[in-house]
Amino acid sequence: NAGVTQTPKFRILKIGQSMTLQCAQDMNHNYMYWYRQDPGMGLKLIYYSVGAGITDKGEVPNGYNVSRSTTEDFPLRLELAAPSQTSVYFCASQFLGGLQYFGPGTRLTVL
Amino acid sequence: AQSVTQLDSQVPVFEEAPVELRCNYSSSVSVYLFWYVQYPNQGLQLLLKYLSGSTLVKGINGFEAEFNKSQTSFHLRKPSVHISDTAEYFCAVTPGMTGFQKLVFGTGTRLLVSP
Repeated sequence: NAGVTQTPKFRILKIGQSMTLQCAQDMNHNYMYWYRQDPGMGLKLIYYSVGAGITDKGEVPNGYNVSRSTTEDFPLRLELAAPSQTSVYFCASQFLGGLQYFGPGTRLTVL
Repeated sequence: AQSVTQLDSQVPVFEEAPVELRCNYSSSVSVYLFWYVQYPNQGLQLLLKYLSGSTLVKGINGFEAEFNKSQTSFHLRKPSVHISDTAEYFCAVTPGMTGFQKLVFGTGTRLLVSP
């Protein structure tokens, strides 16, 4: 099992550009999550999904969109990137009643 | 709602010395507790968890933590640290394990181990 994979590892965007952060898991987990980690802060939940076709907002959803067309994939879309979205983004997945497993993260800088 | 406080943003310690990283939480309901470790430029790895049962839980790499319900604490300890323990440590809680898990994280404690 590859576990939770995220691409890209690093990215620099200009203000106003858009991009999609990819997240995939091969553990057949129902639940998937997107977090952001800012310096000196803990992780904050952006969006989550309880299964294919079902997503919901977390604590800090503004400026982001998600979709979940398959069990395996949970991409995070940034439209009109802003400097405030400079952060490290983590994807996680979880089976019903189990633990969350985290991906290696994507470091995004918006200039 | 839950909240997690890690009062120490940074803890410097010499190699082979003991260390304690503090975690306090606030919640009106019972919670499950976790410690995660993040090595430089890597993702989060689960160190240990308290779900139920014995309040002293042992994790990987020689770490252990004690759940104290009356003091709402879950402090992480290691009797003798190594240089390789240098990392950021996050305490987290969730009110439920079934279904959607609303993990609430502390702000992290950076452990700096020097020779």
